[in-house]
Amino acid sequence: ETGVTQTPRHLVMGMTNKKSLKCEQHLGHNAMYWYKQSAKKPLELMFVYSLEERVENNSVPSRFSPECPNSSHLFLHLHTLQPEDSALYLCASSKGYGVVGNTIYFGEGSWLTVV
Amino acid sequence: DQQVKQNSPSLSVQEGRISILNCDYTNSMFDYFLWYKKYPAEGPTFLISISSIKDKNEDGRFTVFLNKSAKHLSLHIVPSQPGDSAVYFCAASHTGGGNKLTFGTGTQLKVEL
Repeated sequence: ETGVTQTPRHLVMGMTNKKSLKCEQHLGHNAMYWYKQSAKKPLELMFVYSLEERVENNSVPSRFSPECPNSSHLFLHLHTLQPEDSALYLCASSKGYGVVGNTIYFGEGSWLTVV
Repeated sequence: DQQVKQNSPSLSVQEGRISILNCDYTNSMFDYFLWYKKYPAEGPTFLISISSIKDKNEDGRFTVFLNKSAKHLSLHIVPSQPGDSAVYFCAASHTGGGNKLTFGTGTQLKVEL
């Protein structure tokens, strides 16, 4: 158990669907992240939230919409996705943002397939 | 531009021997380096880290070495065990860049009996 829980673990959605990925961290951390891992590519940072405020948006298309209602929960709302958006989406958390030597802890990921 | 590179996509080692995984970086601003281990269908698990003020950090069977002048770090696993078979990612960040980790593409380690 990693302390960062993601649901669902697997999701298949059509291009016209709206769905959400959910993340919860039980580590008392103040920063949360969404990463994307596509085949044969390095992990890509999508969004960063610190104390429930978005501090980074890494040029992510608007069809991905994050939400952080509190420091323990993070959502990624998905709508009108494309097949190339199929990937492993990883949530992560850390004690803080911008702190030297701060380690990021990942959840187990949500496998998304867009058909 | 790939700022963190793992040039070996795979490595095969016999059980009990040493595994050495390598990572090179280009950004001299990086001052914190981490290694993660990833099993299929799971998220990366933090393994070990090192600050740029050190050149070595050890935790049990795992040791990370940092050579700042060469912009190179390595992870040594000794002795290697079959359960170590996984993909290993190195990552780097710099103060002032938040925790924006830049990851390498990973090295698949296979420990054979």
